[in-house]
Amino acid sequence: EVQLVESGGGLVQPGGSLTLSCAASGFTFTTYSMNWVRQAPGKGLQWVSYISSSSSTIYYADSVKGRFTISRDNARNSLYLQMNSLRDEDTAVYYCARARGAYDWFDPWGQGTLVTVSS
Amino acid sequence: DIQMTQSPSAMSASVGDRVSITCRASQGINNYLAWFQQKPGKAPKRLIYAASTLQSGVPSRFSGSGSGTEFTLTISSLQPEDFATYYCLQHNFYPRTFGQGTKVEIK
Repeated sequence: EVQLVESGGGLVQPGGSLTLSCAASGFTFTTYSMNWVRQAPGKGLQWVSYISSSSSTIYYADSVKGRFTISRDNARNSLYLQMNSLRDEDTAVYYCARARGAYDWFDPWGQGTLVTVSS
Repeated sequence: DIQMTQSPSAMSASVGDRVSITCRASQGINNYLAWFQQKPGKAPKRLIYAASTLQSGVPSRFSGSGSGTEFTLTISSLQPEDFATYYCLQHNFYPRTFGQGTKVEIK
């Protein structure tokens, strides 16, 4: 069974840092690109970042560029999101989702991990 | 950035109703469009990819159509388990962008 399990969320003060992890299982991790998507409380979905299977290509949403860093460890079947200079507006549930080829995007998703930025 | 405009933003419908949700892209995205269903407290679930291809395991009452800039998700006969929020997503351009969501509620 394909599984994505996020972890690392929690309460952090504005300006603080946090690293999220996404553990993948049930599929060949090295053949998939990965994404982070977030959802603020009561709001819609927002794509955050993308990393290719070999880490050679990376994209970010403008709202997180320069503050967040996506990475992966193919030996550990894991995806990461290092989040620095956190703001109130980064408060959200963060999901990881895989992607491959032209159309196999965002299926499945993990269960999400909640990040709360508050003093 | 590509803007994805979903309509309506919310709707009330009854079990058995035919329901259609529209997503318009601010520029052409070919058929790089997917539809997702999300229930409260749960992760989104993909229903349709490539604009019109039904995800394995998804009931056939769900269908997708369109190409270019206008897309439609149709539920042919609404079931109790279909009351949820639905999102479209374009993955032709970066940044990937979602529609704002359509909440389908019980009438």
